[in-house]
Amino acid sequence: DAGVIQSPRHEVTEMGQEVTLRCKPISGHDYLFWYRQTMMRGLELLIYFNNNVPIDDSGMPEDRFSAKMPNASFSTLKIQPSEPRDSAVYFCASSINRGGNEKLFFGSGTQLSVL
Amino acid sequence: SQQGEEDPQALSIQEGENATMNCSYKTSINNLQWYRQNSGRGLVHLILIRSNEREKHSGRLRVTLDTSKKSSSLLITASRAADTASYFCATDGNGNKLVFGAGTILRVKS
Repeated sequence: DAGVIQSPRHEVTEMGQEVTLRCKPISGHDYLFWYRQTMMRGLELLIYFNNNVPIDDSGMPEDRFSAKMPNASFSTLKIQPSEPRDSAVYFCASSINRGGNEKLFFGSGTQLSVL
Repeated sequence: SQQGEEDPQALSIQEGENATMNCSYKTSINNLQWYRQNSGRGLVHLILIRSNEREKHSGRLRVTLDTSKKSSSLLITASRAADTASYFCATDGNGNKLVFGAGTILRVKS
């Protein structure tokens, strides 16, 4: 298996532009998580899905952030409009829940810079 | 908010020495996990210890869990330069939400 695949690897955009981050989870995994990592705040859970359904989006910072999972093999995180404070590394992770909270498999992340 | 907090924030040791990192958390848990993150990469799962376990080994890694003190420790024995990375503990105190601590930066000097 190729693991969790994220794209793009790097994204540089200007304030006010729309940004879309993409994630392909590991086949067969039924949980998908979006995390954001910054030096100041560490790793923050933004939202997670179970069987393509958003379960908890309480970590989404503002209405400018939205996430979708149209099918089991694809998810997007969209920021519109983007702001400089959104600059961070965004990670997608997936897992199989076998009755406990099992280990997460992380993608390589998207380094987002909003100028 | 961060459930787990690692200590120390940074650790620098010589190759061959042991490295010990600690993690404290706030609420009851089902399990606690440790992850490693190399610079510029995603996190990689190292080991999971369940709340009814007290100690677990995996290669050069040894993890202990004390639920009465709400703390865990990760020991890396005979460290290598390749162990240089950030190490995070993660807890599931909020249901299926795995919450990560701030991490310990480990530098192993060769």
